[in-house]
Amino acid sequence: SQELEQSPQSLIVQEGKNLTINCTSSKTLYGLYWYKQKYGEGLIFLMMLQKGGEEKSHEKITAKLDEKKQQSSLHITASQPSHAGIYLCGAEPTDAGGTSYGKLTFGQGTILTVHP
Amino acid sequence: GAGVSQSPSNKVTEKGKDVELRCDPISGHTALYWYRQSLGQGLEFLIYFQGNSAPDKSGLPSDRFSAERTGGSVSTLTIQRTQQEDSAVYLCASSPFSGTDTDTQYFGPGTRLTVL
Repeated sequence: SQELEQSPQSLIVQEGKNLTINCTSSKTLYGLYWYKQKYGEGLIFLMMLQKGGEEKSHEKITAKLDEKKQQSSLHITASQPSHAGIYLCGAEPTDAGGTSYGKLTFGQGTILTVHP
Repeated sequence: GAGVSQSPSNKVTEKGKDVELRCDPISGHTALYWYRQSLGQGLEFLIYFQGNSAPDKSGLPSDRFSAERTGGSVSTLTIQRTQQEDSAVYLCASSPFSGTDTDTQYFGPGTRLTVL
C-alpha cells in the first residue's frame, strides 16, 4: 500500500516567516492533494497536483510536485496566524496501469502554529 | 452551494450501544467516502461509494461497521456494539466522480464520536 510521510510533524513559526512542509511517498504519486484542517473541523481542500514538476499557488501558499512524482512540498510565504492548523497530504493509490481508485491515503499531518 | 454536511456533530454513547452517523454529500456528487480520524492512527479510509457500483468496503475495521447510501445521495455509517476504540472523528467526503481520473474530495465537518 502507498504510505505518505510528512515532515516536520509540527512546526512553530513567528508571524511573517516562511515555512515548508514536505510529503514523501513510497510509490509514484498519481494525484497528490493538500488539505488544511482546523481543530474540530473538516478538511479544507487547498490544491491538487498531478504532473511531475507541477507547481500551483493560491494566495501565499505554493505546492510543488517533484519530477519523479514521489515528493511534494507546501510552502507558505509570510505566514499569518490564520495559516495555523494541521496540514495533510493525501494521495490516491493506483494499479500498475495507472488507474486510480479514489480513496485517499493520508500522511500523519503537520501541526502548524503561527505566533503573532 | 452547500457543502458536505454531517450529523450529529458530536455523539457520546455507552459501550455496546449502536450508533448511526449521517452524511449529506454535495448535490450531484456521485462518489461518497467515509474516513476515520483518531489519535495515533491519523486519517483512515473506511468505505467508498461510486454511483450504483458495489461499495469498496476494504477499509472497514470490523463487521460491526456498515454503511449504506440511499438513492445515490445520503449515506449512513452504522457502528454496532460500539467499543471505546471506536472513539474518533468520522469524516465524510464527496466528489463529482471517481475511479477513472483524479478528482477532488470535499470533506464535511465530521462527527466526533466518544464511546464511554
